[in-house]
Amino acid sequence: AQKVTQAQTEISVVEKEDVTLDCVYETRDTTYYLFWYKQPPSGELVFLIRRNSFDEQNEISGRYSWNFQKSTSSFNFTITASQVVDSAVYFCALSEADTGNQFYFGTGTSLTVIP
Amino acid sequence: DAGVIQSPRHEVTEMGQEVTLRCKPISGHNSLFWYRQTMMRGLELLIYFNNNVPIDDSGMPEDRFSAKMPNASFSTLKIQPSEPRDSAVYFCASSFDGRNQPQHFGDGTRLSIL
Repeated sequence: AQKVTQAQTEISVVEKEDVTLDCVYETRDTTYYLFWYKQPPSGELVFLIRRNSFDEQNEISGRYSWNFQKSTSSFNFTITASQVVDSAVYFCALSEADTGNQFYFGTGTSLTVIP
Repeated sequence: DAGVIQSPRHEVTEMGQEVTLRCKPISGHNSLFWYRQTMMRGLELLIYFNNNVPIDDSGMPEDRFSAKMPNASFSTLKIQPSEPRDSAVYFCASSFDGRNQPQHFGDGTRLSIL
């Protein structure tokens, strides 16, 4: 079974619109960690955020914000006032305390911001 | 600080040739991961090392693939003999040994087997 599901394969928005990328995870561990990565067209994978299962506070970093809800097993990512430079593939990932370093990546959401 | 360094960035070779991909992790990181990314299969973990020891190689596709980490600052992924279906982007990542630390990725090696 897929541990991380990113149901949105592709999203297109017009510049300055807000956009939310969904991530749903599945785990039986009580201690786990969630991550988001960005892969721009140049190809590298850039770490954006790490959140542990005991911290449900929302996180904001500039135009980026993350909403973690254990009740729905979701860790969604919102970009406010999107810009062309936000065009990329975004990956959500899960690691469980019991399996330590192994990451389970979602299939990614390709975001295109149209100028 | 230098990030994860991979070489070569691009490799084009003919089927049957040996291919060696190289990775230098971030200094101080003692977990190292090799991934393969394709359109069909997405991002797949091939193998990971902790303190230079292979911990899980269940993702290695077949015996043609091998990985080594002779010291804390260097790892290789070899494919011998290479096949066209091995064409992909191969990423190396490293992290601190603490559990569940972020993995930091190199720029990847784009491999094309003709």
